[in-house]
Amino acid sequence: EDQVTQSPEALRLQEGESSSLNCSYTVSGLRGLFWYRQDPGKGPEFLFTLYSAGEEKEKERLKATLTKKESFLHITAPKPEDSATYLCATSGGSEKLVFGKGTKLTVNP
Amino acid sequence: SAVISQKPSRDICQRGTSLTIQCQVDSQVTMMFWYRQQPGQSLTLIATANQGSEATYESGFVIDKFPISRPNLTFSTLTVSNMSPEDSSIYLCSVERTIATEAFFGQGTRLTVV
Repeated sequence: EDQVTQSPEALRLQEGESSSLNCSYTVSGLRGLFWYRQDPGKGPEFLFTLYSAGEEKEKERLKATLTKKESFLHITAPKPEDSATYLCATSGGSEKLVFGKGTKLTVNP
Repeated sequence: SAVISQKPSRDICQRGTSLTIQCQVDSQVTMMFWYRQQPGQSLTLIATANQGSEATYESGFVIDKFPISRPNLTFSTLTVSNMSPEDSSIYLCSVERTIATEAFFGQGTRLTVV
């Protein structure tokens, strides 16, 4: 059974304090690994897709990386507006998305 | 990407009643998906809705409780029937660009059953 585990559950940073979120996964036949951002009261917003180990994607202060067992979402010099819950999901042989529980990020000014 | 409009955005309902959630997409899509997001839990797939055929339900979800309609390629509804407080959750519809690629979500429906 495909599984996605995200850590930490919650992370509190000071503005400008860089850090990383982790997404560990077990999936048969990885088709893609996805990162989403979810703000309170809203649906998940798509950020990145990673397809193979070694791949990296960047968008503003965010960079996602992928290995054969995990993915990291690196946040460089975060701002308060980066506060949100970040979700990781995989798609494998079942062709269904399997989501982790998310990491709730709070960036204090 | 796709623009997905979902309504209502929130509702408070009495136990034993039913609520129908609507999902409208700005382009034609083959499959639409319905998820449930309970507090502190991951998104859980309820069912996949294909136009012209019955929805495919995941383990733990049944058609009598969550009937789905898919009358055309841009619209779907999910009904939460005979509600109990355990049904309080966020319900989300989504579409995928192609099978097993990134999904795009509506803003969700926050349901509270009292």
